[in-house]
Amino acid sequence: EAGVAQSPRYKIIEKRQSVAFWCNPISGHATLYWYQQILGQGPKLLIQFQNNGVVDDSQLPKDRFSAERLKGVDSTLKIQPAKLEDSAVYLCASSFTAGNTGELFFGEGSRLTVL
Amino acid sequence: AQRVTQPEKLLSVFKGAPVELKCNYSYSGSPELFWYVQYSRQRLQLLLRHISRESIKGFTADLNKGETSFHLKKPFAQEEDSAMYYCALSGQNTDKLIFGTGTRLQVFP
Repeated sequence: EAGVAQSPRYKIIEKRQSVAFWCNPISGHATLYWYQQILGQGPKLLIQFQNNGVVDDSQLPKDRFSAERLKGVDSTLKIQPAKLEDSAVYLCASSFTAGNTGELFFGEGSRLTVL
Repeated sequence: AQRVTQPEKLLSVFKGAPVELKCNYSYSGSPELFWYVQYSRQRLQLLLRHISRESIKGFTADLNKGETSFHLKKPFAQEEDSAMYYCALSGQNTDKLIFGTGTRLQVFP
């Protein structure tokens, strides 16, 4: 079974530029998550989708971050304009249902460096 | 406030020594607790969950509601256990995970 795919793996941009990350979850997984992991910290949830609807985006900085999951499969996370503090690894994860089994399947992450 | 605390950033032991990675949580209600692990150059993955009461790769974790703890233990550490370990919790009826800051376990030969 193919795992969660993310691209690009690495991205370096200057502040005030924009960037987009793409995620393809495991086939059949209805729930998709974007997490932000800053160096030395644990992953922090940015947004959760159930199919193509947003379940939780309470910690998404909506003035600069946006995410969509059109057609309930792939998802894109965009940052515009980027700030220095956005430097982090952006992890995409998916799960089969929205119950509390706790098993999220993570991608390899997209490492963003903002200069 | 919902929070997971892992007080140790780094834990170093020799092969064969017992290991305990500490995790304390704060949550109003009945959370589900989990341990996730990230080996070098691999993805973050689930190690074990408290509701399963299972032992995975020799690791166990007991939920202590009185002390609000969920420490991860292994009686005899192996070099291949070297990794980053994250404690996490979720509420009832949700997969949303709140992670701790992680503990890096180093097992020396």
